[in-house]
Amino acid sequence: QVQLVESGGGVVQPGRSLRLSCAASGFTFSSYAMYWVRQAPGKGLEWVTVISYDGSVKYYAGSVKGRFTISRDDAKNTLYLQMNSLRGEDTAIYYCARDQRQHSYGYPLEYWGQGTLVTVSS
Amino acid sequence: EIVMTQSPVTLSVSPGERATLSCRASQSVGTNLAWYQQKPGQAPRLLIYGASTRATGIPARFSGSGSGTEFTLTISSLQSEEFAVYFCQHYNDWPLTFGGGTKVEIK
Repeated sequence: QVQLVESGGGVVQPGRSLRLSCAASGFTFSSYAMYWVRQAPGKGLEWVTVISYDGSVKYYAGSVKGRFTISRDDAKNTLYLQMNSLRGEDTAIYYCARDQRQHSYGYPLEYWGQGTLVTVSS
Repeated sequence: EIVMTQSPVTLSVSPGERATLSCRASQSVGTNLAWYQQKPGQAPRLLIYGASTRATGIPARFSGSGSGTEFTLTISSLQSEEFAVYFCQHYNDWPLTFGGGTKVEIK
């Protein structure tokens, strides 16, 4: 079955960096676009970024553009989110999610991991 | 950016009753609209896509309708495990955006 397991969250000071990972299993990772979506404590969902199945297309939310970088390692079936210049408003649970369709992107998010909490605080 | 607005913010329903949730887009998204359910401490789960197609394993008491800018999620007979928060999301273009959510609580 499809599994997505995030890791790498924790407490970090403002202005510092953190890298999140998402280990995927149960499907052909290289065939699917992958996403990061975040949720601030007690708040709604915010799409952060997407990477196409072949890594050629990446889009970012305006709130993270220029600070966050999404990448993937298909040999390791792992998705990454490099987060630089972190701010208090980046505090959230970060979920990785898989696109519904193979060899495409921009479709519903069919599978989600359980999330990893990032807290930005001095 | 397309703004998604959900109403009501909170919906109080008795078990077994029907729940009707609304989602409005600030511009047309066609039928590129999905609904998700999120229970406390859990990740969201895809319920509906294409505005009206149930995702795999979703019971028939969940139904979606609408197109353009107005959408509805109906749960025909609420079960105890379905008291949760429901989000709509468009995937018509970038950035993807979600509604603020509707919390369905026990009346």
